[in-house]
Amino acid sequence: AAGVIQSPRHLIKEKRETATLKCYPIPRHDTVYWYQQGPGQDPQFLISFYEKMQSDKGSIPDRFSAQQFSDYHSELNMSSLELGDSALYFCASSSDRDQPQHFGDGTRLSIL
Amino acid sequence: DAKTTQPTSMDCAEGRAANLPCNHSTISGNEYVYWYRQIHSQGPQYIIHGLKNNETNEMASLIITEDRKSSTLILPHATLRDTAVYYCIVTDSWGKLQFGAGTQVVVTP
Repeated sequence: AAGVIQSPRHLIKEKRETATLKCYPIPRHDTVYWYQQGPGQDPQFLISFYEKMQSDKGSIPDRFSAQQFSDYHSELNMSSLELGDSALYFCASSSDRDQPQHFGDGTRLSIL
Repeated sequence: DAKTTQPTSMDCAEGRAANLPCNHSTISGNEYVYWYRQIHSQGPQYIIHGLKNNETNEMASLIITEDRKSSTLILPHATLRDTAVYYCIVTDSWGKLQFGAGTQVVVTP
């Protein structure tokens, strides 16, 4: 079965650069969630989208923005990168807000 | 939002049942209990969820107390591949998952 696809799998950036992470949800899933997991920490919710509209917002820095496109894929844009942004970024999708979320393999972002 | 409390760690012998407890004493009537697990930096994996009734699927069983203040995840025959951090999560109406510390389960031969 098709799963959530995230790209790139690994990304290395320097401080103050920008990064764009992409997420392709499972077909017919219209809800997308983004999570950040720092080293040795548990995943933290960043932001979610339902039917291409932002539906909820967590501890997402103002330097980050995200959107969901007409084909339901989502992109997380990160600017003015800081060392503390080094983390695993997971995307998850579901068929509705009260349905299980299915996670991608994540993007490992390293800031030098 | 409701919060959960889980043991920090648990060991289990291969082939035996693993029973993972979770307390969620402030859960609201329309909030679901979800269980996910994460195997070493992989994406969290959905296991099972429930509202009031006990649930069973090919991976596990979920037992929810009648007052809904606690639940137990049961892995019927633990294997070495079940070694992971297990998260018990109560979701709000927006669906976001608020991961707590979870239980580190180590399955030993």
